[in-house]
Amino acid sequence: DIQMTQSPSSVSASVGDRVTITCRASQGSSHSVAWYQQKPGKAPKLLLSAVARLESGVPSRFSGSGSETGYTLTISSLQPEDVATYYCQQYYRPPWTFGQGTKVEIK
Amino acid sequence: EVQLVESGGDLVQPGRSLRLSCTGSGFTFGDYTMSWVRQAPGKGLEWVGFIRSKDYGGTTEDAASVRGRFSISRDDSKSIAYLEMNSLQTEDTAVYYCTRDRSAYGGDAFDIWGQGTVVIVSS
Repeated sequence: DIQMTQSPSSVSASVGDRVTITCRASQGSSHSVAWYQQKPGKAPKLLLSAVARLESGVPSRFSGSGSETGYTLTISSLQPEDVATYYCQQYYRPPWTFGQGTKVEIK
Repeated sequence: EVQLVESGGDLVQPGRSLRLSCTGSGFTFGDYTMSWVRQAPGKGLEWVGFIRSKDYGGTTEDAASVRGRFSISRDDSKSIAYLEMNSLQTEDTAVYYCTRDRSAYGGDAFDIWGQGTVVIVSS
């Protein structure tokens, strides 16, 4: 199985700050990586797929990068509505696996 | 509107069975692989399994944690995917989400999620 190790587990930043979340895959995932946002009590929402493809309607302050075993989600200017838990996921080889999640809060 | 709605969640005793349903609308249900993802209380996301579109044989894959106990099926005429759960254990307690894989074969991101249905396994 491909393990996805996500860090940090939580981050507290000020409005306007740049926030970076990383995900390390135990094996190469050939760009088959997605990022999801989950707000409390809600279902996850797809933000980016194929590492860097932004979903329709997702603000451009969200971006993704990386390759093979290292992937990054960046929020260029943190907004209050970005408070949520973020998960990476590989869909290169079943079983699909998620990172442990990163909780983003406003300082 | 493209939508998934889960139903069937309940409080059940350990060892019992339960069937969850996922009804899709607003898209051609049969064209997509459908997955189930669960989230235990206060925990992260865990993929449970998927069923491919009939174009790819309607075959299934599942997580080791549920293999032999859970099975996934689909009725494209009704736009419904099912998660049959047998021999339920307390560790199966979770919110169960139905998701749409953007591909027919399986191997793309989950672009549509249902609201989730709660399964509690307790005596």
